[in-house]
Amino acid sequence: QKEVEQNSGPLSVPEGAIASLNCTYSDRGSQSFFWYRQYSGKSPELIMSIYSNGDKEDGRFTAQLNKASQYVSLLIRDSQPSDSATYLCAVNAGGTSYGKLTFGQGTILTVHP
Amino acid sequence: SAVISQKPSRDICQRGTSLTIQCQVDSQVTMMFWYRQQPGQSLTLIATANQGSEATYESGFVIDKFPISRPNLTFSTLTVSNMSPEDSSIYLCSVDGERGLQETQYFGPGTRLLVL
Repeated sequence: QKEVEQNSGPLSVPEGAIASLNCTYSDRGSQSFFWYRQYSGKSPELIMSIYSNGDKEDGRFTAQLNKASQYVSLLIRDSQPSDSATYLCAVNAGGTSYGKLTFGQGTILTVHP
Repeated sequence: SAVISQKPSRDICQRGTSLTIQCQVDSQVTMMFWYRQQPGQSLTLIATANQGSEATYESGFVIDKFPISRPNLTFSTLTVSNMSPEDSSIYLCSVDGERGLQETQYFGPGTRLLVL
């Protein structure tokens, strides 16, 4: 069974700090990795995607992927109270599972002023 | 990214009844998916809505309970049949949004269903 695990929360950081969110996956053949942000009562919003080993930066967000360790992370620099949300890690195995996402349980992030 | 709308946005239904949820996209997309998010939980894929053929269901989900239609490349429906309180969830459709050769996925606003 394909699994995606996220570090248990909730995670609380002060405003301006770096928030670090972690995710591991069990299917070594996974090819695409995503981070979604979900505000309470809203649908998931795609914030980062990463497909190859290394770092990918987009504004205050950096996604890191290590396929050998089956590990993907999301760093949020200069955290703001508006970043407070649930962050969902999602993995796509590709191949015949193209497009099908397996989600982690989510990590609740709170950024306090 | 594609603009996705869902109808209804929320509903309260009686057990034993059925509800059909619509998903409309503003552009043609290859793949459409239906997910369920139970209270306090993460998302679980129900099925892939295939245009012109039967949907492909994930383990634990069956066509009799969740019939799906996909008449064209911009529209799909999910029906939750013979509902019970355990079906109370958020139901989300998603579509692929290809960026070059790499795939990504966007979600609609969701349908919040409460079954009494």
